[in-house]
Amino acid sequence: SQQGEEDPQALSIQEGENATMNCSYKTSINNLQWYRQNSGRGLVHLILIRSNEREKHSGRLRVTLDTSKKSSSLLITASRAADTASYFCATDGGGADGLTFGKGTHLIIQP
Amino acid sequence: KAGVTQTPRYLIKTRGQQVTLSCSPISGHRSVSWYQQTPGQGLQFLFEYFSETQRNKGNFPGRFSGRQFSNSRSEMNVSTLELGDSALYLCASSRGDREGETQYFGPGTRLLVL
Repeated sequence: SQQGEEDPQALSIQEGENATMNCSYKTSINNLQWYRQNSGRGLVHLILIRSNEREKHSGRLRVTLDTSKKSSSLLITASRAADTASYFCATDGGGADGLTFGKGTHLIIQP
Repeated sequence: KAGVTQTPRYLIKTRGQQVTLSCSPISGHRSVSWYQQTPGQGLQFLFEYFSETQRNKGNFPGRFSGRQFSNSRSEMNVSTLELGDSALYLCASSRGDREGETQYFGPGTRLLVL
């Protein structure tokens, strides 16, 4: 069963614009991770944010985490055509369920 | 450092058959997890192996099984295949530390059951 819910399900923007995706989850977590998937291929790990962190940066990526609202956001700045992919949030509750993924946001960057 | 590899990349089977998928983790990683991805259910956790022992298990029927070898390579087996088993099967490896570690995914095996 899915714990995370990404919003929006699909997003289309112009190259150079910023893209923001949101993720909500239901139970307590140890950390939350964001992954990218191109055309049904393997998942590429983007960033991990721990439950005691509020914000994290990696290159053009900025992730925030609000544990009181059980939500996270992923911001991609200055988008490029190569950023076209599906983005998933995954929660790690530290239990026996492995990573629990949302259904993803499909991002399309228009040149 | 070589990434996670999975073989085969594509597979076509018929209902009732069984299938074995293989995953080689990143060198030094002792944990291997398996996930099933379908359009309807999304990504779902199957099981995790660590040091040749199943450490965690998702909510899948007993037709789905796995094992891990002493070199950390893992295999996943699905018996009595059903049409609904058609999916992308992904494995992920990690060091095996319990607290908040990154999982590195392979390219997946795409299984089609006819």
